[in-house]
Amino acid sequence: QQQVKQSPQSLIVQKGGISIINCAYENTAFDYFPWYQQFPGKGPALLIAIRPDVSEKKEGRFTISFNKSAKQFSLHIMDSQPGDSATYFCAASREMIWGLGTSLAVNP
Amino acid sequence: DTGVSQDPRHKITKRGQNVTFRCDPISEHNRLYWYRQTLGQGPEFLTYFQNEAQLEKSRLLSDRFSAERPKGSFSTLEIQRTEQGDSAMYLCASSLDQDATNEKLFFGSGTQLSVL
Repeated sequence: QQQVKQSPQSLIVQKGGISIINCAYENTAFDYFPWYQQFPGKGPALLIAIRPDVSEKKEGRFTISFNKSAKQFSLHIMDSQPGDSATYFCAASREMIWGLGTSLAVNP
Repeated sequence: DTGVSQDPRHKITKRGQNVTFRCDPISEHNRLYWYRQTLGQGPEFLTYFQNEAQLEKSRLLSDRFSAERPKGSFSTLEIQRTEQGDSAMYLCASSLDQDATNEKLFFGSGTQLSVL
């Protein structure tokens, strides 16, 4: 049973555009929501994370928006670059529940 | 700090054989996690250690899987009587448990297992 649902499965964005990836969770006990970036042949790397007492967190070009009542959170990548092309995963509850991933391609 | 290292990077084995993987975490990290990842999927939690104690183990983890972290430093993951369904990337991660709600995991590059 998947407890974190991630969408879309794949995403194509033009350079300079905004990439948006969404996740929805079920368990209200989750208290930590990270986003990871993974390149082929590498392990995931933490991008940014948020706690449910904050509605938004921004680090550079990456922003997490969190909607506690809707049990949803999203990753926004501003000014997307070809180097951002990777697979992105949301996770919950100290990284023990992961989404299925979103493959992002940023066209030059 | 050389990051989390895993050995071997690739392992090809025949069905029924036993395999063992090793993970060396970042030296000051007291938590160590094992995950399994198949193509097109997110990492699947297997187990984690705090120092040498194995604190949690996934219900999905078969009895053929065992993990150890004998001295609270490196860890091994053993799979006995491998099956073709065990073919996956096995990822190790470590963290420093300073603040449980803001834990940052550092992942190794994984061991790719292929069971023929």
